[in-house]
Amino acid sequence: DGGITQSPKYLFRKEGQNVTLSCEQNLNHDAMYWYRQDPGQGLRLIYYSQIVNDFQKGDIAEGYSVSREKKESFPLTVTSAQKNPTAFYLCASSTLGDTQYFGPGTRLLVL
Amino acid sequence: AQSVAQPEDQVNVAEGNPLTVKCTYSVSGNPYLFWYVQYPNRGLQFLLKYITGDNLVKGSYGFEAEFNKSQTSFHLKKPSALVSDSALYFCAVRDMKQGGSYIPTFGRGTSLIVHP
Repeated sequence: DGGITQSPKYLFRKEGQNVTLSCEQNLNHDAMYWYRQDPGQGLRLIYYSQIVNDFQKGDIAEGYSVSREKKESFPLTVTSAQKNPTAFYLCASSTLGDTQYFGPGTRLLVL
Repeated sequence: AQSVAQPEDQVNVAEGNPLTVKCTYSVSGNPYLFWYVQYPNRGLQFLLKYITGDNLVKGSYGFEAEFNKSQTSFHLKKPSALVSDSALYFCAVRDMKQGGSYIPTFGRGTSLIVHP
């Protein structure tokens, strides 16, 4: 898991609630990423950022939002618009185009 | 466009036997290839990568991968499997062509099961 942390490990969301997943890295990487993992579907890119105060949508951005106010931090908010949020969420960081280092993941469950 | 395929959802091997997890890719330019491993309820861990040079790349935990440009493959191998190697393995590729995306594309993953 290297120098990248995610919290919490488990998160429960109630209907209509927004929840925020934390991702912090101390690897001095410019690029950070959020992936969603569902059984049998591999990794799907939600958002990515290559520099502070800039980010781009990935393949499945609808119902999610991010911010990149600091180089070390890239929080993901799962909004109430995301109707099927139950999944394992993985954050990663890298120097541009190089090896990605992943956090331990957050499992989001709906109550 | 870049793409990667892992043709086997699951690979079964007996402990002590050699293992191979297959990966094929498609890129316009030269490939930058990665293998990652994921243990249950954990994040992905980097195993090895290929950019250029020797076609046989050695990585962590005794794993190696062979780059074959003519077959557009990057199969992961280990001479003698351990039960503790049982995990989910992901291949990823990035197209090195000028102006290409720096975001890699991941395969769907292959579940490796090593039987005692």
